[in-house]
Amino acid sequence: DAGVIQSPRHEVTEMGQEVTLRCKPISGHDYLFWYRQTMMRGLELLIYFNNNVPIDDSGMPEDRFSAKMPNASFSTLKIQPSEPRDSAVYFCASRGEGGYNSPLHFGNGTRLTVT
Amino acid sequence: GQNIDQPTEMTATEGAIVQINCTYQTSGFNGLFWYQQHAGEAPTFLSYNVLDGLEEKGRFSSFLSRSKGYSYLLLKELQMKDSASYLCAVRGNTDKLIFGTGTRLQVFP
Repeated sequence: DAGVIQSPRHEVTEMGQEVTLRCKPISGHDYLFWYRQTMMRGLELLIYFNNNVPIDDSGMPEDRFSAKMPNASFSTLKIQPSEPRDSAVYFCASRGEGGYNSPLHFGNGTRLTVT
Repeated sequence: GQNIDQPTEMTATEGAIVQINCTYQTSGFNGLFWYQQHAGEAPTFLSYNVLDGLEEKGRFSSFLSRSKGYSYLLLKELQMKDSASYLCAVRGNTDKLIFGTGTRLQVFP
């Protein structure tokens, strides 16, 4: 089991540029979550998918953020245009259908710096 | 609304016992999770509680009181490698897992 795979590990970009973060969930997992982590606010849920369908995007900060899951093995989180306040670590996590006690499995995250 | 509170930082000595508290107010309750996160790494699952009482897993134990909206993580025989952040997270009425801001634990020799 390769675990949740995210790319890139680090991304440095200038304000106004488009940023795309990628995630491959664990094979067979039906749920995929995107979180953002900062020192001040901790881990914040941005959006989650079930069977490739977005279920709740109420955590997406604004229209500059969008997420897609075109198939069961791939998801993207896009920021366009990026701003310095978007600097954070973005985590993708997946879990199976095992019920409420199923834990989330996290990827290693993408550290985004917007200058 | 939903609110999860944990102390920001704690320190302890190698070999000692430390208790990290978490209080929560959420819409519905379907379990409380504890995760460990070393600096620069991903959170990893430690424990799950859904019924009142203590769950023990080796050096780590987790306790839950649903009526009080309270949980704690107990770490025994502390080791240097236990220096990390410990995140409390609650699942309410949906599939969302809401995290507290975490408690940074430093273990000193």
